Amino acid sequence: DQQVKQNSPSLSVQEGRISILNCDYTNSMFDYFLWYKKYPAEGPTFLISISSIKDKNEDGRFTVFLNKSAKHLSLHIVPSQPGDSAVYFCAASTLISSGSARQLTFGSGTQLTVLP
Amino acid sequence: AAGVIQSPRHLIKEKRETATLKCYPIPRHDTVYWYQQGPGQDPQFLISFYEKMQSDKGSIPDRFSAQQFSDYHSELNMSSLELGDSALYFCASSSTDRANEKLFFGSGTQLSVL
Repeated sequence: DQQVKQNSPSLSVQEGRISILNCDYTNSMFDYFLWYKKYPAEGPTFLISISSIKDKNEDGRFTVFLNKSAKHLSLHIVPSQPGDSAVYFCAASTLISSGSARQLTFGSGTQLTVLP
Repeated sequence: AAGVIQSPRHLIKEKRETATLKCYPIPRHDTVYWYQQGPGQDPQFLISFYEKMQSDKGSIPDRFSAQQFSDYHSELNMSSLELGDSALYFCASSSTDRANEKLFFGSGTQLSVL
């Protein structure tokens, strides 16, 4: 049972347009959400995050929106650039009760292709 | 800036053999996580360590074990390897001191079991 779902395995967008990547989750204990970007043969790299007490976080061209009632978050990239082409993973985090470490639960990823 | 270092980058083993994967976290990071990503799958949490103690366990098979050493590096030991263990194994580190929620990932070890 996947707790974090990315229902679109791929997305193609024209350069300069907006890319919108979506993510749904089921576990209401998640209190922190992150987006990671992954290029082939590399580990995921952190992109942007949002705490459950907020509904929007913006960093340059990247904005993450959180709708807690719908258990849905989205990543907007504007304007999209060819270098943004990568796999984007949504991840959700909850505090591990046994300590102060956190565990990430990943979605299955969305391959974004930005066409020049 | 120093990143998470994993070794080896690639590893080829045969069924029933053992493998050891190593992870060197970012300096001053006290928490290490191991993830497994099978072909076409999302990363699955295996196990984590905080201050050299196991802090959480995910979908790690009993054939696998891991530990974090005094210098905070971690090793994932895999025995009686099976074909299904072929995957990309990521290590990540974080610093709980800074209440930093971000995990920093290494480039992964690609394990192929033949």
